[in-house]
Amino acid sequence: EIVLTQSPATLSLSPGERATLSCRASQSVSSYLAWYQQKPGQAPRLLIYDASNRATGIPARFSGSGSGTDFTLTISSLEPEDFAVYYCQQRSNSITFGQGTRLEIK
Amino acid sequence: QLQLQESGPGLVKPSETLSLTCTVSGGSVSRNSYYWGWMRQPPGKGLEWIGHISYGGSTYYNPSLKSRATVFVDTAKNQFSLRLSPVTAADTAVYYCVRLIMTGTNFDPWGQGTLVTVSS
Repeated sequence: EIVLTQSPATLSLSPGERATLSCRASQSVSSYLAWYQQKPGQAPRLLIYDASNRATGIPARFSGSGSGTDFTLTISSLEPEDFAVYYCQQRSNSITFGQGTRLEIK
Repeated sequence: QLQLQESGPGLVKPSETLSLTCTVSGGSVSRNSYYWGWMRQPPGKGLEWIGHISYGGSTYYNPSLKSRATVFVDTAKNQFSLRLSPVTAADTAVYYCVRLIMTGTNFDPWGQGTLVTVSS
């Protein structure tokens, strides 16, 4: 099973700041990596698929990069509605999720 | 716009069978480009893939569930379903149905989720 490790576990930032979230895979997943945002009581929302493609309706401030084992989700300038939990997910070998990064208001 | 909606009992007894159905609207489960799948999330924890099925009936399951899960599709009703048996308290979770693209990681949309509690 491919293990995805997200860091940091919690990220404390202010609106307007840049957020950088990391996801590292235990073995190469090529570009088969996605990022989700989840708010309390809601289903996960797909942000980025295939490492760097924004899903339909996702604002341009969200971007994804990386390939192989190291991936990054960047939010260029945080809006109040961006504070949530973020998960990465791979589909290269079976399907697994990272443990999540909580993005909280500083 | 494609929408998915889960339905089923919110309470299941230990050792019994959990049965959930996902109704698809605004699209068809008969499209060859997609799989139809289930994910779950225990309260306060992360996400876990359960399994998925193609229109043609090919199925894929999380090995950690040790053959307890079955996913099947009903094209006449435009629905797909999950059965998990036998259940324990560890199966208490919010269950989500989701559309998966056949190649790649575009898993969208998701249903709103339904909480299933396993308790006597």
